[in-house]
Amino acid sequence: AQSVSQHNHHVILSEAASLELGCNYSYGGTVNLFWYVQYPGQHLQLLLKYFSGDPLVKGIKGFEAEFIKSKFSFNLRKPSVQWSDTAEYFCAVTGYSSASKIIFGSGTRLSIRP
Amino acid sequence: EAQVTQNPRYLITVTGKKLTVTCSQNMNHEYMSWYRQDPGLGLRQIYYSMNVEVTDKGDVPEGYKVSRKEKRNFPLILESPSPNQTSLYFCASSLTNTDTQYFGPGTRLTVL
Repeated sequence: AQSVSQHNHHVILSEAASLELGCNYSYGGTVNLFWYVQYPGQHLQLLLKYFSGDPLVKGIKGFEAEFIKSKFSFNLRKPSVQWSDTAEYFCAVTGYSSASKIIFGSGTRLSIRP
Repeated sequence: EAQVTQNPRYLITVTGKKLTVTCSQNMNHEYMSWYRQDPGLGLRQIYYSMNVEVTDKGDVPEGYKVSRKEKRNFPLILESPSPNQTSLYFCASSLTNTDTQYFGPGTRLTVL
C-alpha cells in the first residue's frame, strides 16, 4: 500500500537547536518527494522537493532533506531553528507517472520555544 | 497574482443537503487536487485531475464527486453530506503531479 509515515507528531525545541524530522514512504517505482510547511494562519507552501540527482536537497529558509533510497526515507533537517519555524510540516510522495496520486504524511507539529 | 481560490471559506450545513465547494486557479495548471485535513491524519487526497475531463480517485473518494469541465475550475460536490465529512478541505493545483502544488486557503466544513 502507498503510504507516508511521519513518526514525530509533535516536536518541541528551543531556538538554535538542530532539527531532524523523519519521513518514510512506501510507494512503488520511481518517486518524487516533497516537504510542505503550514505556518499558522497561512497556506501550505513548498519547502523543498526531490526529483532525481543529488540526494541532498536544499530548500527555503535553511532547510534541507536527504533522500536515502535504501531506507525509503526523506528526512528534513535544519541546523539551527528559529522561533519563526513554528509550523506544521508535511512530507509527501508521488510517482513518476502524470496519473499518480499524491500521498501526504500525517504531519509533524513543530513548536519552538523562544 | 497567481493563486488558488476556494469558496466558501466556512460552511455549516445539515446531513443530506447537497453542497458544492468551488476551486479556481489562474496559473494554467493541468493537475488539480482536493484534500481533506483531519487531526492526526494529515492531508488525504480525495480526487485529482490530470487535465480537463480526466479525473481519478485519491485515497478517500467515498461520498464525494468532482468534475473538470474547464482547466481553471475543479469543484468538489458532496451529494449527501454526513457528519464524518466534517473537515478542513484544501484545493491545490500544479503543472503536473511532480511539480510544486499551490494550495488554496481551505474550506472549513461542518456537517450537523
